Amino acid sequence: NAGVTQTPKFRVLKTGQSMTLLCAQDMNHEYMYWYRQDPGMGLRLIHYSVGEGTTAKGEVPDGYNVSRLKKQNFLLGLESAAPSQTSVYFCASSYYRDRVNTEAFFGQGTRLTVV
Amino acid sequence: AQSVTQLGSHVSVSEGALVLLRCNYSSSVPPYLFWYVQYPNQGLQLLLKYTSAATLVKGINGFEAEFKKSETSFHLTKPSAHMSDAAEYFCAVSKGNTGFQKLVFGTGTRLLVSP
Repeated sequence: NAGVTQTPKFRVLKTGQSMTLLCAQDMNHEYMYWYRQDPGMGLRLIHYSVGEGTTAKGEVPDGYNVSRLKKQNFLLGLESAAPSQTSVYFCASSYYRDRVNTEAFFGQGTRLTVV
Repeated sequence: AQSVTQLGSHVSVSEGALVLLRCNYSSSVPPYLFWYVQYPNQGLQLLLKYTSAATLVKGINGFEAEFKKSETSFHLTKPSAHMSDAAEYFCAVSKGNTGFQKLVFGTGTRLLVSP
C-alpha cells in the first residue's frame, strides 16, 4: 500500500511564481487535509476536505487554494508564492467509523523554499 | 476551541532513563487526544490515541499516555529510553465526535537521547 503520497518532495520557487502540490491517497478515505509545519509552531491546518468536491478553510488559509475533484486527490495551490510560505507541507487523510475506529495517515512532506 | 500546550521544546535523557513528555489540552467538548512521532525528514507516525475508552493508553515502541481529565493532561511516558527514540513528538487534540477532523497540534518536543 502506498498510503498517502505527496508530489513533489522538494521545490524551490521564486517570489511570485505559482505551483501546485499534489496529494494522493489509495485508502478510499473521505477526509483529507493540508498542514504546514514551521519551526516552533507545530503543524497548522491550511485547508481540509470532508469529501469529493468539498473544501473548507483551516487555521491559516490565506495565500492558498485547494481542490478535490477526485476522492483520492487533494491539490494545494500557491498562486503567487511569498517567502512567508517557505515551509514543510504535509498532506493527511483519515477515516471515521466510530469513536474507536478512526485514524489519520500522513504523507512524507514537501519541503518548499520561496526565495 | 481546542488547543494543546507542550511544555519544553527540548527534553534530554540518558539511554535507559524514564521519558516524560508533557501535554496539556483545552477543549470545550470531550476530546480525542493523540501523540505522534516524527523522525528526521519523515512524516508523522501515530504513537497512540485516546478516544474515551481506557484512560491509560498503550502505544507502539513501549510508549504509553494517561488521560487525566482533572488535570487536562495527556503526558507521554516510556520507562526506558532507547537511542532510537530520539525524534520530535507532537501532541494533538480534536473534537471527540469528529475523529481526526481538524487536528490541532502542539508545538512539539524534541527528545534527545544520550548514551
